[in-house]
Amino acid sequence: SQQGEEDPQALSIQEGENATMNCSYKTSINNLQWYRQNSGRGLVHLILIRSNEREKHSGRLRVTLDTSKKSSSLLITASRAADTASYFCATADVGNNDMRFGAGTRLTVKP
Amino acid sequence: DGGITQSPKYLFRKEGQNVTLSCEQNLNHDAMYWYRQDPGQGLRLIYYSQIVNDFQKGDIAEGYSVSREKKESFPLTVTSAQKNPTAFYLCASSPGTVFNSPLHFGNGTRLTVT
Repeated sequence: SQQGEEDPQALSIQEGENATMNCSYKTSINNLQWYRQNSGRGLVHLILIRSNEREKHSGRLRVTLDTSKKSSSLLITASRAADTASYFCATADVGNNDMRFGAGTRLTVKP
Repeated sequence: DGGITQSPKYLFRKEGQNVTLSCEQNLNHDAMYWYRQDPGQGLRLIYYSQIVNDFQKGDIAEGYSVSREKKESFPLTVTSAQKNPTAFYLCASSPGTVFNSPLHFGNGTRLTVT
């Protein structure tokens, strides 16, 4: 069964704007990861944030984690047309041998 | 270049036939995984393997089988018992303990069964 739920399901912005995607989950986690998928391709890992971390940065990406609210957000700053893709959060549950993916947010960045 | 190779990219089969999807990695990763992706849904775990000759069922293992005879290879067989096999199948690998490190994905195999 799926764990993470991304919000919104779809997001359309202009190049140069920031994009924020949210992920909620239900159980206790070891870590939360964000992935990107271009149409018809495999997923590419973006960032892993552990349960004892609150924020991580990687280039134009900023991820936050609030374990009290069981939520995470992915911020892409100064978006580019090449950022157009689907973005998924995935949680590694404490005690469970699984990594559960949400249904993703479809991001479209218009040039 | 190191990576994961899935073949073929597209696969067509008649209903009632078994089909095997290939997954090879040269990343020297211990753990390997198979996921299924359906339109508008997240990935669902079929099987995973931490080490050679050992594998565990995921959420949707029914109608699928795997083997892990070599560290580099983790083929998935979709059997005729799988009621709705048409989907996009993704293989992944990771170093270290399962689910505690980033997954490296192949580019998938799109299976169509008619």
